[in-house]
Amino acid sequence: AQTVTQSQPEMSVQEAETVTLSCTYDTSESDYYLFWYKQPPSRQMILVIRQEAYKQQNATENRFSVNFQKAAKSFSLKISDSQLGDAAMYFCAYRRGETSGSRLTFGEGTQLTVNP
Amino acid sequence: KAGVTQTPRYLIKTRGQQVTLSCSPISGHRSVSWYQQTPGQGLQFLFEYFSETQRNKGNFPGRFSGRQFSNSRSEMNVSTLELGDSALYLCASSLGAGEPRKTQYFGPGTRLLVL
Repeated sequence: AQTVTQSQPEMSVQEAETVTLSCTYDTSESDYYLFWYKQPPSRQMILVIRQEAYKQQNATENRFSVNFQKAAKSFSLKISDSQLGDAAMYFCAYRRGETSGSRLTFGEGTQLTVNP
Repeated sequence: KAGVTQTPRYLIKTRGQQVTLSCSPISGHRSVSWYQQTPGQGLQFLFEYFSETQRNKGNFPGRFSGRQFSNSRSEMNVSTLELGDSALYLCASSLGAGEPRKTQYFGPGTRLLVL
């Protein structure tokens, strides 16, 4: 079974600074997808960024980027120029490949605090 | 496009009762997945429906069931409620097929409290 581990229950960052959230996963599959979701106090899960395992290039979305290390099974999220609105719980999630349905396996989450 | 909607947003039930939660996916999405979120267990997958068929099922007792209608709307039912069923229930939709990145988009959730 696949597992996802987020070893940092809490992180904090100063506004405008950069922070990196860690995620490791365990799988024997070669075809899979990885995601970071953000859950603010409203509890709405919002997609931040996604990465296809077959792509070597790291995904970026504006201030958010990932460091995907397939051999090490590591998928960290970097948030640059942190803003107060980035404060939320962040979840790393894994999904098997094309023919395996849409089931997501989530990590435990990292609570990010942004200090003004 | 309208996002994923879930009704009701909040529910209070007592032990032994049953409850039905509803989810309307994004227009054009054919896959609906359900997740349970609790402080102790985190986010756990319940089941996935695609074109009215259950495609995946998580490790939950038979008291948890679901179905999907021809318009892709989905319902989940929990019978004989237990205190431990208190949770945030999240629904997510995706195209389900043909989309290379198979991204799931989540609704706002239904918060269930069992007394």
